[in-house]
Amino acid sequence: DSGVTQTPKHLITATGQRVTLRCSPRSGDLSVYWYQQSLDQGLQFLIYYYNGEERAKGNILERFSAQQFPDLHSELNLSSLELGDSALYFCASSPDRVIDSPLHFGNGTRLTVT
Amino acid sequence: AQKITQTQPGMFVQEKEAVTLDCTYDTSDPSYGLFWYKQPSSGEMIFLIYQGSYDQQNATEGRYSLNFQKARKSANLVISASQLGDSAMYFCAMRERSNTGKLIFGQGTTLQVKP
Repeated sequence: DSGVTQTPKHLITATGQRVTLRCSPRSGDLSVYWYQQSLDQGLQFLIYYYNGEERAKGNILERFSAQQFPDLHSELNLSSLELGDSALYFCASSPDRVIDSPLHFGNGTRLTVT
Repeated sequence: AQKITQTQPGMFVQEKEAVTLDCTYDTSDPSYGLFWYKQPSSGEMIFLIYQGSYDQQNATEGRYSLNFQKARKSANLVISASQLGDSAMYFCAMRERSNTGKLIFGQGTTLQVKP
């Protein structure tokens, strides 16, 4: 168990809809990263938060947004969903951005857009 | 430019034998960390082993060791005494000090262990 909790585990929704994915980092971890894993794109970095502040954006679509709350949990909002958004979405946490600290991943949310 | 390259999409190994999964990387940052993760068919990402760019010795964690060749920019994972439970996708990844600390992943290698 990595200590990172993601909910829900599975999500099935229709095109055009909006969903929210939730992540609780490991106790004490201030950094939260979101990744998208799809068959054709592999593991893609979406966005990074540190102690409530957005620090970096990766290949995140404008239809997607995220935030980290004062209690350090994070939410990833996906709107106007398209079939191509179907993927496994991971949240990962680490104490900070030091390079010798691994990212610990949650079990992911598998999103299916129909 | 591809920062992490894993050239073996799929590998087979006989149970109890050793196997090497290849990883090469590209960075101009002198400070970086290299990581290997395992992703079983159930989907979770499991951290296996870490190697720092300034580490003089190769990292080892149980049956996992990392063959770090800095000049060649390679960080191959060696799994000794393979077990059926080692069948999974394996990802090589890198964190650079200059790059927000995000992990950059390779495309992965699928390992199948044969009984």
